[in-house]
Amino acid sequence: AQKVTQAQTEISVVEKEDVTLDCVYETRDTTYYLFWYKQPPSGELVFLIRRNSFDEQNEISGRYSWNFQKSTSSFNFTITASQVVDSAVYFCALSVWDNYGQNFVFGPGTRLSVLP
Amino acid sequence: KAGVTQTPRYLIKTRGQQVTLSCSPISGHRSVSWYQQTPGQGLQFLFEYFSETQRNKGNFPGRFSGRQFSNSRSEMNVSTLELGDSALYLCASSLVGSGRYNEQFFGPGTRLTVL
Repeated sequence: AQKVTQAQTEISVVEKEDVTLDCVYETRDTTYYLFWYKQPPSGELVFLIRRNSFDEQNEISGRYSWNFQKSTSSFNFTITASQVVDSAVYFCALSVWDNYGQNFVFGPGTRLSVLP
Repeated sequence: KAGVTQTPRYLIKTRGQQVTLSCSPISGHRSVSWYQQTPGQGLQFLFEYFSETQRNKGNFPGRFSGRQFSNSRSEMNVSTLELGDSALYLCASSLVGSGRYNEQFFGPGTRLTVL
């Protein structure tokens, strides 16, 4: 069975601070995808990044960066110089294929509050 | 390209009633998945439809059902509503190819309140 753990329930930082959101996953599949989604107060989940299990290269997109480490089954997300608009709930998700199709499992989410 | 749309955005029902939620995927997307989001349980997968067939199902009682139409639009039905069914119901669509992994694009959700 697949599982995603986000140990940080809530994080508060002051604007311009860097913050890292942790994600640890469990799967026996060797082929899988990892995702991060952002859910602002409006409720709609916004896709941020996808990473496949064969690509451990870290990625940077503006103020966002992701650190994928298969050895520790972690896919952490760092926001540099945080802004108030970054306040949201962030979900890490794992996707594998089974006999029935693509199976998504989401972590419980981390609520990030960026204070001015 | 228009995003995923869900109607209605808000619903208030009473216990015992039934409800139907609608989801229109992004044009060209053939897979539609439904999720229930509650403060206590987080995001839980309900089911996935592809080409009008339910392909995957989460651990929910039979009161939760769905269908998909030939234009990929999907509906979700909950019968005999219970207080615990109050939640944000999210629909997600994705391109599908066997063996391919595709991100899901989510709609704004339908917030259901059961009184």
